[in-house]
Amino acid sequence: KQEVTQIPAALSVPEGENLVLNCSFTDSAIYNLQWFRQDPGKGLTSLLLIQSSQREQTSGRLNASLDKSSGRSTLYIAASQPGDSATYLCLLSNTGNQFYFGTGTSLTVIP
Amino acid sequence: GAGVSQSPSNKVTEKGKDVELRCDPISGHTALYWYRQSLGQGLEFLIYFQGNSAPDKSGLPSDRFSAERTGGSVSTLTIQRTQQEDSAVYLCASSPGRGGFRGTGELFFGEGSRLTVL
Repeated sequence: KQEVTQIPAALSVPEGENLVLNCSFTDSAIYNLQWFRQDPGKGLTSLLLIQSSQREQTSGRLNASLDKSSGRSTLYIAASQPGDSATYLCLLSNTGNQFYFGTGTSLTVIP
Repeated sequence: GAGVSQSPSNKVTEKGKDVELRCDPISGHTALYWYRQSLGQGLEFLIYFQGNSAPDKSGLPSDRFSAERTGGSVSTLTIQRTQQEDSAVYLCASSPGRGGFRGTGELFFGEGSRLTVL
């Protein structure tokens, strides 16, 4: 069974710092991997989607990478801002159309 | 619409009452998912619809929970005889499915329906 872990569970950084969030998975037979942010009391906002055949995707200050051989995806946030404070979730889907959420990282960017 | 729309955004009900939660997916999306998120917890899969196929109900926690999707579009999640442990945010997501030019399998979530059972 696929297990998806995000470490650390919580992260606090000063504004302007570059940071990396990690998502580790145990089964490399994935279809795609998606990164979301969730603000308190809100739904999930899709940030980036990486297909199995891709290595990375970029959107603005965000860059997500995928390394299936090591079972790892990273979300890089450049020049962090207080508005980036949220919980970040990774979501894997496998070839059998099953979905597995990561455990989440709660990010606080301090002004 | 432009995104996944859920209603009501908030629902407070008394224990034992039935509730209905509605989800309007993005137009043209063939796949629709319901998840539940209890306070401070992760997302729990409930049910999945794909086109005209039989839904995957494997995540429904009890027979008090049911869902339908009419005409391959709008979905309703019904909880009968609500219990306090049903209190949670119920999230709906839709996807264009897989395969073809648009079939990335990407999920788009609504803002959720917050259910409080007194």
